Amino acid sequence: NAGVTQTPKFQVLKTGQSMTLQCAQDMNHEYMSWYRQDPGMGLRLIHYSVGAGITDQGEVPNGYNVSRSTTEDFPLRLLSAAPSQTSVYFCASSYGGGGWRHGYTFGSGTRLTVV
Amino acid sequence: DQQVKQNSPSLSVQEGRISILNCDYTNSMFDYFLWYKKYPAEGPTFLISISSIKDKNEDGRFTVFLNKSAKHLSLHIVPSQPGDSAVYFCAASAHPSSGTYKYIFGTGTRLKVLA
Repeated sequence: NAGVTQTPKFQVLKTGQSMTLQCAQDMNHEYMSWYRQDPGMGLRLIHYSVGAGITDQGEVPNGYNVSRSTTEDFPLRLLSAAPSQTSVYFCASSYGGGGWRHGYTFGSGTRLTVV
Repeated sequence: DQQVKQNSPSLSVQEGRISILNCDYTNSMFDYFLWYKKYPAEGPTFLISISSIKDKNEDGRFTVFLNKSAKHLSLHIVPSQPGDSAVYFCAASAHPSSGTYKYIFGTGTRLKVLA
């Protein structure tokens, strides 16, 4: 039982390049989300999905796209990387709408550096 | 404007003693509060939660206290163990009208338990 798997673990991009951060979960969770963590700031919600075909924006969605074609996968696309997108990215999943009783299951993160 | 604040970036405690981690919030609409623990190079792990209808929730060595009038919650770890050394995040959400919780995270407190 792998839980939430994120790939890659590390990535260096040049400004203007695009890439996709992968996230997969094997727990049949309806809810999946992407967060970024920056020094001196809490985790901030980028995008989330409550089921296949349904996505919505979080606090900081600009510069990112998502889609949810299957229950298992929720990739995050950076369209044109900028240094401000240097961060650690976490994917999270849970049953239902992200219920408070059990919290989220997080992946181990992707550390992205944009130069 | 930081809606969830963890004003102590770090805390050191002797093994066996009590660790108290604090979290303040500004949004009176928040009804659900969660604590996560994060080890280096790993994703956050759900620890314990509380809803606003309660003022205390206990799970083994971990107890969360909620003071709604003061908009303050705290996490108590008794007794503290070296394995508790990690970064602790608090998170809060209002009751979701859409059925989807949107958590605001604090900036984290790094706990070091000294053997």
